[in-house]
Amino acid sequence: RKEVEQDPGPFNVPEGATVAFNCTYSNSASQSFFWYRQDCRKEPKLLMSVYSSGNEDGRFTAQLNRASQYISLLIRDSKLSDSATYLCAVNTNTGGFKTIFGAGTRLFVKA
Amino acid sequence: DGGITQSPKYLFRKEGQNVTLSCEQNLNHDAMYWYRQDPGQGLRLIYYSQIVNDFQKGDIAEGYSVSREKKESFPLTVTSAQKNPTAFYLCASSIRLAVNNEQFFGPGTRLTVL
Repeated sequence: RKEVEQDPGPFNVPEGATVAFNCTYSNSASQSFFWYRQDCRKEPKLLMSVYSSGNEDGRFTAQLNRASQYISLLIRDSKLSDSATYLCAVNTNTGGFKTIFGAGTRLFVKA
Repeated sequence: DGGITQSPKYLFRKEGQNVTLSCEQNLNHDAMYWYRQDPGQGLRLIYYSQIVNDFQKGDIAEGYSVSREKKESFPLTVTSAQKNPTAFYLCASSIRLAVNNEQFFGPGTRLTVL
């Protein structure tokens, strides 16, 4: 089992739709969580950190479920420009610093 | 503008050659990282550095070497010992090496071994 897993998709949604992705992690000692957006052949860009209480930034909402060991990203009112690959990242510092990225979920938003 | 730069953007090398990828940041960040990304896979950590003159192996350090002589610079050498060097290489930095610090990425270098 991979340490961090994501559904590769693709998710094909119409403009205006709401879409959600999950990212599961296997290490219960994981401490910090992030969502990144990566456009084709570009570098990942930080979308948001994920806090225990959940956090929201405009149309984007991230949540953490420690009991079930997953984080989620919800995108409301999807735009064409949201089409990208969304990567989750999980950090731990148990036995040394470690950061693990998921392979990403591809999203296509259609007109 | 503050940021991370990587050069070159594209690099071709012959088998058996060592090659060095450049990474520079002017964000005054202490920590720097190198990742590789293969198609359909997540980023995998090669090396990271907490501070000048210090660096640690990541998950896939074999066949790679780094140095951290200056805070701003963290070059990566891909040696001939790396069996599958063709990949997209990404450099990142964060304020400190702390689990809750976000990492910011440079534009990457695409290395192709011919």
